[in-house]
Amino acid sequence: DIQMTQSPSSLSASVGDRVTITCRASQGISNYLAWFQQKPGKAPKSLIYAASNLQSGVPSKFSGSGSGTDFTLTISSLQPEDFATYYCQQYKSYPHTFGGGTKVEIK
Amino acid sequence: QVQLVQSGAEVREPGASVRVSCKASGYTFTSYYIHWVRQAPGQGLEWMGVVNPGSHYTHYVEKLQGRVAMSRDTSTTTVHMELNSLRSEDTAVYYCGRENDGITNWGQGTLVTVSS
Repeated sequence: DIQMTQSPSSLSASVGDRVTITCRASQGISNYLAWFQQKPGKAPKSLIYAASNLQSGVPSKFSGSGSGTDFTLTISSLQPEDFATYYCQQYKSYPHTFGGGTKVEIK
Repeated sequence: QVQLVQSGAEVREPGASVRVSCKASGYTFTSYYIHWVRQAPGQGLEWMGVVNPGSHYTHYVEKLQGRVAMSRDTSTTTVHMELNSLRSEDTAVYYCGRENDGITNWGQGTLVTVSS
């Protein structure tokens, strides 16, 4: 199975900050990488697919990059509605494993 | 618009079975795989398996092999996930998701509680 390692597991940031979350795959997955946002008590929301493509309706402050084993999700200017937990997921091969999540909290 | 509407919360005793349903609408049902993902209380997301509504193809995570079954009913555009021999650690919110280059649409989630 492909292991997905996210870092950090949590971070504190202020409104307006630029935030970067990292996801590393245990083996190469090309660009078969998705990012999700989840708020408490809610279903995940799809943000990015194929490592760097924004889902329809997702604001451009979110961006993704990377290929192979190393990926990043960047939020250019953190807003109050962005405080949530973020997950990466590889879909190169079954099982489609998730990273452990990164909780973004208000400083 | 694409919608995935899941069945309601369930409570089961250990050893019992549960079936969670996911009704799809707003797109061609047989053209997109449906995944199941679960989340135990306070924990992260766990991928469980996938079903192809256009065929009988399924693939399950190894740890659930033998206890889980995913199926589809094309007449009602509904996908079902059945989990047997329930244990307390199966207590979780279960989500279905439609795959379109990764999961793009999610159901609202179904809480399954396993307790005696």
